[in-house]
Amino acid sequence: AQSVTQLDSHVSVSEGTPVLLRCNYSSSYSPSLFWYVQHPNKGLQLLLKYTSAATLVKGINGFEAEFKKSETSFHLTKPSAHMSDAAEYFCVVRLTGTASKLTFGTGTRLQVTL
Amino acid sequence: NAGVTQTPKFRVLKTGQSMTLLCAQDMNHEYMYWYRQDPGMGLRLIHYSVGEGTTAKGEVPDGYNVSRLKKQNFLLGLESAAPSQTSVYFCASGAGGQFNYGYTFGSGTRLTVV
Repeated sequence: AQSVTQLDSHVSVSEGTPVLLRCNYSSSYSPSLFWYVQHPNKGLQLLLKYTSAATLVKGINGFEAEFKKSETSFHLTKPSAHMSDAAEYFCVVRLTGTASKLTFGTGTRLQVTL
Repeated sequence: NAGVTQTPKFRVLKTGQSMTLLCAQDMNHEYMYWYRQDPGMGLRLIHYSVGEGTTAKGEVPDGYNVSRLKKQNFLLGLESAAPSQTSVYFCASGAGGQFNYGYTFGSGTRLTVV
């Protein structure tokens, strides 16, 4: 079965410092992986996606993620956090099969302090 | 271009009441999904549809029914609401296909069952 595990439920960083949100995946096949962001009381916005092309994926707002097959990881990073980055972040795997269903991790809440 | 529209945005129900949540998309997507979001649990798939006239159960289907009579609409019904169905509901659509990774989410419906 394919799944994702987000290793931290809460991460707190100071503005201007690096962000690291960790995600491990479990899959028998080469997975398609996504990061989504949800700002308070808002819907879901796609940050970036990995679809078996380049292992380093660049997304919006300065975020990027690296697919590491040997470590079964897809961690999300940003060099310098901004106050507007405070939100909940979801690591998501696309299930193989005809319905292209998405399976979500439990989420990581990012807090950015001054 | 509206994308995915969910109605209503908010609703309060009494235990035992019924209601229908409507999801409409204008992107001619084949696949549509209903998720529920609960704190600490990410988004979990309730039901999904891979085309007009077809529906299938997801991870947490109990207490819900769905219908996809028209390609652009996906309805989620609660026949007899229970407090455990208090949640935020998200609809999503996707074009489908092995190499299509685009999903669009609605802005959510916040449902409270008292």
